[in-house]
Amino acid sequence: QSVLTQPPSVSGAPGQRVTISCTGSRSNIGAGYDVHWYQQLPGTAPKLLIYGNSNRPSGVPDRFSGSRSGTSASLAITGLQAEDEADYYCQSHDSSLVLFGGGTKLTVL
Amino acid sequence: QVQLQESGPGLVKPSETLSLTCTVSGGSISSYYWSWIRQPPGKGLEWIGYIYYSGSTNYNPSLKSRVTISLDTSKNQFSLKLSSVTAADTAVYYCARVPSPLPRWGQGTLVTVSS
Repeated sequence: QSVLTQPPSVSGAPGQRVTISCTGSRSNIGAGYDVHWYQQLPGTAPKLLIYGNSNRPSGVPDRFSGSRSGTSASLAITGLQAEDEADYYCQSHDSSLVLFGGGTKLTVL
Repeated sequence: QVQLQESGPGLVKPSETLSLTCTVSGGSISSYYWSWIRQPPGKGLEWIGYIYYSGSTNYNPSLKSRVTISLDTSKNQFSLKLSSVTAADTAVYYCARVPSPLPRWGQGTLVTVSS
């Protein structure tokens, strides 16, 4: 069981907006540690989608956005596209451990 | 831009020691934290441990008794040793600059534990 909690699955139709939550605690996200988000397509390495809670690496469309509040963080995807169907992971840390969420499978209907 | 590349045997026998090396290019290893992360087939990501450029380490408590991570600054590399492996250690192993304000990952290497 992961320290960071994500919903196992979310879904949405093309063009819609979906959000994926990542719930931690006062010792990790709530303590101010950064949250990063990764997208993993089948058979590939995780790709950095959001770093430092809300920053996009170059090349990541602005349809993807991240936020952090209290002990949780969220990834939002607007204008959903078929190519967004993938697994999404949040990552943070506490004073000594690196933490991952259990992953969320996004299905584009 | 920093790039990471894992290398090592793709097949390890049960009870033996898994050994992998990560080569860092495009930047110095003499800063940041450097981690090993793994992903069993069909499962999520699991952090194994990290080493700081100073040489200090921290490991996942669930693997701590079997893990050693070391650093070779002269070669810009860091390494993983996981002892007494079983089939449950079969996974894609990633090296990564994590935790970091801007994480970087390698492409991963599949290690299968089988006789």
